Amino acid sequence: GAVVSQHPSRVICKSGTSVKIECRSLDFQATTMFWYRQFPKQSLMLMATSNEGSKATYEQGVEKDKFLINHASLTLSTLTVTSAHPEDSSFYICSARDANRAGEKLFFGSGTQLSVL
Amino acid sequence: GENVEQHPSTLSVQEGDSAVIKCTYSDSASNYFPWYKQELGKGPQLIIDIRSNVGEKKDQRIAVTLNKTAKHFSLHITETQPEDSAVYFCAASDSSASKIIFGSGTRLSIRP
Repeated sequence: GAVVSQHPSRVICKSGTSVKIECRSLDFQATTMFWYRQFPKQSLMLMATSNEGSKATYEQGVEKDKFLINHASLTLSTLTVTSAHPEDSSFYICSARDANRAGEKLFFGSGTQLSVL
Repeated sequence: GENVEQHPSTLSVQEGDSAVIKCTYSDSASNYFPWYKQELGKGPQLIIDIRSNVGEKKDQRIAVTLNKTAKHFSLHITETQPEDSAVYFCAASDSSASKIIFGSGTRLSIRP
């Protein structure tokens, strides 16, 4: 099956610093990737849709200047949490769709637990 | 937009018994319904999916049923095992698959 690799799996940072999370599709090309945020014991909340070669589409209420998304290649999307604050602490998950396979299947990364001190 | 409701939020069953999780959706344009299993500290994994042109799909101990008229779909796990303990999410999307909307999740615990 398709594999999505997400790094780092866990990061602890100080308030005010920026953190970059990478999402890679290892054995397929992904023109579209999605970034989610998940609070403890809650569902996945879609933050933005990342499109290769173009600007990301953000969901209502998500600050695009706070959560910078770059999708520069068909296999890599990055999410940068800028000037992180404790309230940004959360589990961030990416997913990707295989551009060369018909259908809607999404493959998820293993997630990144961000803790902002 | 699409709204997916899922219940129960928690479910505890005896090992070997069956577990059923139910979801409803609101958008009649939705035609793809995946189910994901999420273990603690990990990303969701697709376990089974169904499209609206099919009423039922089975894969070993897991089955999904879809009632398009009533806009509800269910996950059935038979002969449950301890490794089935996890959080399960249902989801729905339309044919463009621009977004997949998730249910609120069900925490399934299998009692030995």
